[in-house]
Amino acid sequence: AQSVTQLGSHVSVSEGALVLLRCNYSSSVPPYLFWYVQYPNQGLQLLLKYTSAATLVKGINGFEAEFKKSETSFHLTKPSAHMSDAAEYFCAVSDQGFNKFYFGSGTKLNVKP
Amino acid sequence: EAQVTQNPRYLITVTGKKLTVTCSQNMNHEYMSWYRQDPGLGLRQIYYSMNVEVTDKGDVPEGYKVSRKEKRNFPLILESPSPNQTSLYFCASSTGGRGEQFFGPGTRLTVL
Repeated sequence: AQSVTQLGSHVSVSEGALVLLRCNYSSSVPPYLFWYVQYPNQGLQLLLKYTSAATLVKGINGFEAEFKKSETSFHLTKPSAHMSDAAEYFCAVSDQGFNKFYFGSGTKLNVKP
Repeated sequence: EAQVTQNPRYLITVTGKKLTVTCSQNMNHEYMSWYRQDPGLGLRQIYYSMNVEVTDKGDVPEGYKVSRKEKRNFPLILESPSPNQTSLYFCASSTGGRGEQFFGPGTRLTVL
């Protein structure tokens, strides 16, 4: 089975600072990779998706993620944090059949004024 | 409006009392899935369905049942709930496993 590791259950940055949320997956063959965001008391919303078309994936709200096969990583970044980015972020991976999904434990992003 | 709806949103019940959480989507999606979210564990997939009458187990199916008799509906059934099933449950749908999953608002279940 796949597994996803998100380093850091809580990350705190100042408004305007770089956001870096880490995600590592376990697989010898790159599957689909996703980043989702969850705002308080809401369901999850897709930020971006890696499908092997390009290693640098741009998503909504200024977020992007880079797929690095050699490091089995898919870290999420945003150059300048905004207060509205405060939320919980989940990295997820699909299996080869694209039916099963495995989520990381999540990283709560706090943005300080 | 395209959406996934879940009912109820909140439920408190007692051990052993059968319950059903409904999930409905209006996007004509073939793929639907149920997840539970627990602190520190992220989301874990319970069951998924690739189409009507086609369902399969996810990572944590024990204690749950599902059915997919219609394309739009995918109810989650707990025949005999236990306290370890206290959790936040999400239903999701997509055009297929490769597509974006659209999540419902969640159902917070407490089993006493």
